[in-house]
Amino acid sequence: GIQVEQSPPDLILQEGANSTLRCNFSDSVNNLQWFHQNPWGQLINLFYIPSGTKQNGRLSATTVATERYSLLYISSSQTTDSGVYFCAVVGGSTLGRLYFGRGTQLTVWP
Amino acid sequence: EAGVAQSPRYKIIEKRQSVAFWCNPISGHATLYWYQQILGQGPKLLIQFQNNGVVDDSQLPKDRFSAERLKGVDSTLKIQPAKLEDSAVYLCASSFGPPQLAGGPMPVYEQYFGPGTRLTVT
Repeated sequence: GIQVEQSPPDLILQEGANSTLRCNFSDSVNNLQWFHQNPWGQLINLFYIPSGTKQNGRLSATTVATERYSLLYISSSQTTDSGVYFCAVVGGSTLGRLYFGRGTQLTVWP
Repeated sequence: EAGVAQSPRYKIIEKRQSVAFWCNPISGHATLYWYQQILGQGPKLLIQFQNNGVVDDSQLPKDRFSAERLKGVDSTLKIQPAKLEDSAVYLCASSFGPPQLAGGPMPVYEQYFGPGTRLTVT
């Protein structure tokens, strides 16, 4: 199956700082999603972004499909941004399953 | 619009016992997925349904896991008998449309997840 690598694995920030999370994938994709998993385990959809750039408030994401990577930007982080951020992709030859990376654990201190 | 519903939220059982999880997808979503998330890892697909048919169950341990979606709406995932390594969060997800058919164009549908069921096997 398709390999998804996320970096960094852990990130510790002070409130107000900016950060960039990276997702590399090993093959062409037809779907790429970013999720935030909150402390209760709920996966919250952040972006559906197989290509291009999108913004939603303090968060934005860019996917460069031809170079097989995606970036998630978090600006002016808040303590509520803490949790695990997952990148997940659907490969070009698969039937719809999402392949997840291992996630980036973000901790934001006040 | 209501999200994906799952129950129970938590379950503790002893090894060799059986357990069942229930999922109700977002209304109108034809495709339903069950994922297993082991602590410290990303979720991994167990089984995928389109309406009431199985699309992909290649990663389902069929000697102990079973799943059904009889009327093409809600779904049940069962484990019998449970092992210690089955301790995980079981996530249900749904998406609007059908998966890609062999040789066909890839549809572009976003997946939405339920709150999960945290299973502990002792």
